[in-house]
Amino acid sequence: DTGVSQNPRHKITKRGQNVTFRCDPISEHNRLYWYRQTLGQGPEFLTYFQNEAQLEKSRLLSDRFSAERPKGSFSTLEIQRTEQGDSAMYLCASTGAGSAEQYFGPGTRLTVT
Amino acid sequence: AQSVSQHNHHVILSEAASLELGCNYSYGGTVNLFWYVQYPGQHLQLLLKYFSGDPLVKGIKGFEAEFIKSKFSFNLRKPSVQWSDTAEYFCAVKTGGFKTIFGAGTRLFVKA
Repeated sequence: DTGVSQNPRHKITKRGQNVTFRCDPISEHNRLYWYRQTLGQGPEFLTYFQNEAQLEKSRLLSDRFSAERPKGSFSTLEIQRTEQGDSAMYLCASTGAGSAEQYFGPGTRLTVT
Repeated sequence: AQSVSQHNHHVILSEAASLELGCNYSYGGTVNLFWYVQYPGQHLQLLLKYFSGDPLVKGIKGFEAEFIKSKFSFNLRKPSVQWSDTAEYFCAVKTGGFKTIFGAGTRLFVKA
């Protein structure tokens, strides 16, 4: 399967712990997005990378959230000191140069207890 | 602030019925418009998109959407739905930046 992959698929953590998610985009795609989706809502934009540069970051992303994309390949999203309100599905999507179609991964479902 | 509004959260139809899902957005400039679909247990995938030109765009599986600029709308239609169209449908808008804004989604259930 050469689509977007995300790991882990599910994560249960206790409040206050740090978690890190990984996204592997489609190999030739230079643009990568992170979204958060809660029940009954559509995906909410979190951040955007073009190659290794983080070009846009939502105001939704508090200081506890950080994302990286070293070498412009895979990306990680870290949440520090998790809170119950962080419970959500975290989606990653990638896009090739010259295209606007985003290819989504299966998501990582985070539950903070 | 830019936003996308989908009029119906849940729609139930019988097979062969016609479908129209409403989508309105708030942004006065140039937009790229999308409909994404998420079938049960699957990833979000693109159904169709509008960038410019003919405001009536056709997508996969017999879906089409019409962009009406004066109404800031991009409604999704299908003349005759099938049971396999049961899914959640998301309207999305991309403005001048990098951000794509999604609506809250419409869950469609098609009765066989």
